[in-house]
Amino acid sequence: DAGVIQSPRHEVTEMGQEVTLRCKPISGHDYLFWYRQTMMRGLELLIYFNNNVPIDDSGMPEDRFSAKMPNASFSTLKIQPSEPRDSAVYFCASSLNRRGEAFFGQGTRLTVV
Amino acid sequence: TQLLEQSPQFLSIQEGENLTVYCNSSSVFSSLQWYRQEPGEGPVLLVTVVTGGEVKKLKRLTFQFGDARKDSSLHITAAQPGDTGLYLCAGASNRDDKIIFGKGTRLHILP
Repeated sequence: DAGVIQSPRHEVTEMGQEVTLRCKPISGHDYLFWYRQTMMRGLELLIYFNNNVPIDDSGMPEDRFSAKMPNASFSTLKIQPSEPRDSAVYFCASSLNRRGEAFFGQGTRLTVV
Repeated sequence: TQLLEQSPQFLSIQEGENLTVYCNSSSVFSSLQWYRQEPGEGPVLLVTVVTGGEVKKLKRLTFQFGDARKDSSLHITAAQPGDTGLYLCAGASNRDDKIIFGKGTRLHILP
């Protein structure tokens, strides 16, 4: 397996634009997590899915953020409209179980100007 | 709110030296993981500790889980430049099954 695949690797967008981040988890992993990493706040869990169903979205900062998992092999994180304070590295991770080893993608570095 | 405090935040030492970094909380965790993250990459799991007092070794790295399962340490013997990276601890909450990450210790080993 190629591991968790995220795209794009880098995204630069203007304030107010819609941004969509994409993730392909490892096949067979039932859990998918979206994290955001900044120097100030570290790695924060935004939302996680179990078997494509959102379980906990309490980490999603605002209504501007939304995430979907239409099938077991694809998830998106959308920010609309984007703001400069959304600039961060966004990671997707998948795992076999809730507390097991999380396999992270390489991340998407988002810059909102 | 459960928090994991990692110390020190930054550490820069010479190759060959020993070091210890810490992960502390006032809360009890059912398990604790250590990850290493290199620039431009996602974190990669090093070890999981589950039992209070547990010690695990991974080559020159020694991980210990506190007896009360509230803290953990990572000791590196004879550090090498390849050990450079961000070391993150992550605790599995006893209460709500959430995984909480510390902010990490950024380690730089000078050749």
